Amino acid sequence: KAGVTQTPRYLIKTRGQQVTLSCSPISGHRSVSWYQQTPGQGLQFLFEYFSETQRNKGNFPGRFSGRQFSNSRSEMNVSTLELGDSALYLCASSLAVGLLNSPLHFGNGTRLTVT
Amino acid sequence: GDSVTQMEGPVTLSEEAFLTINCTYTATGYPSLFWYVQYPGEGLQLLLKATKADDKGSNKGFEATYRKETTSFHLEKGSVQVSDSAVYFCALSVDGATNKLIFGTGTLLAVQP
Repeated sequence: KAGVTQTPRYLIKTRGQQVTLSCSPISGHRSVSWYQQTPGQGLQFLFEYFSETQRNKGNFPGRFSGRQFSNSRSEMNVSTLELGDSALYLCASSLAVGLLNSPLHFGNGTRLTVT
Repeated sequence: GDSVTQMEGPVTLSEEAFLTINCTYTATGYPSLFWYVQYPGEGLQLLLKATKADDKGSNKGFEATYRKETTSFHLEKGSVQVSDSAVYFCALSVDGATNKLIFGTGTLLAVQP
């Protein structure tokens, strides 16, 4: 069974631009979560989707947005990029919501560099 | 607010040494606790979990016990191998109805042959 696939693996953007990252969950998984990983702040929760609905959002500015499609694939968008947005963005999928019975499976991430 | 504190790394051990990585937490209510591992170039993988006080999670020779009285969830392994070299993250979940995790900063473990 294929794992969580994130594209692209690497991305270089300029300040002020916008970027879209993509995540394909494991087949049959309906929940997708996004995390930002930086050396300074560590792993921080961005948002969570289930059946195309955003169920939870972390403490990030409105420049960070996401969506989930009917096939459970998800995208996240960052507008007006800042240098501090440089990070590894991780997507995780699970069968349902609720970590105790439905563990998260993480992708390898998209490395975003903002110059 | 809710948070996780891990010991700073890197932790460097020789093969077959005993491993302890300390993790303490602050949380309202009764969180569930997790250890994740990130091998070089790979995504995070769930290593073990515990859902209530005195629960012991275990997997691949690693163990951690949920200690409510000391708000701790220390990771231990009796004999590490070179293949255990990775970054280890302690995490908690305070809401069983979501997939939101609060992570510690991670501890790099390097095992030398």
